[in-house]
Amino acid sequence: DTEVTQTPKHLVMGMTNKKSLKCEQHMGHRAMYWYKQKAKKPPELMFVYSYEKLSINESVPSRFSPECPNSSLLNLHLHALQPEDSALYLCASSQELSMADVEAFFGQGTRLTVV
Amino acid sequence: QKEVEQNSGPLSVPEGAIASLNCTYSDRGSQSFFWYRQYSGKSPELIMFIYSNGDKEDGRFTAQLNKASQYVSLLIRDSQPSDSATYLCAVNKSGGSNYKLTFGKGTLLTVNP
Repeated sequence: DTEVTQTPKHLVMGMTNKKSLKCEQHMGHRAMYWYKQKAKKPPELMFVYSYEKLSINESVPSRFSPECPNSSLLNLHLHALQPEDSALYLCASSQELSMADVEAFFGQGTRLTVV
Repeated sequence: QKEVEQNSGPLSVPEGAIASLNCTYSDRGSQSFFWYRQYSGKSPELIMFIYSNGDKEDGRFTAQLNKASQYVSLLIRDSQPSDSATYLCAVNKSGGSNYKLTFGKGTLLTVNP
């Protein structure tokens, strides 16, 4: 099973709303990632968790707040977003962060629209 | 110089032909190289990965790596219309003890029936 599950698939939120994106994997992977992808652009790394600890934050604005409650779950809390934050948000996981030759598997993404 | 560069395309090939997708990278410390396929509006799907110089074959797909030239390619034999997608080259390089996946902009492939 190489499945990474993201919910919701689509989300429309106002600029004053608070919402959360969820990601789950049951492959025993210890590294989990959030990526942001705008139309016709490559995925851009936002955050990386390794063994449930935040390892990499790519200078993401504080209106995005990640959380890793346990080894299978990864959340992205959203607050006071801007319309330019509208994008496809992708979660991924891999076996380890400290190994080069490991594959990252992506979830189906959450299509976020900020109005 | 961009970290991972790909021709954006579109690359158009007839059905049954060989599609050749190319990628160059700037960091000689890069260790592993991945090809992802992404259909419009969908998430990236891993096609192949390679970390040793030479060729690696999996069905209709062959990945080629030349670390001296900092070049990686993906060949798709007997191209099918269902292969039409954006192909993303991704490079895994170390930032200290952590490896980070960096993507190229992707090449849009169109296979014409």
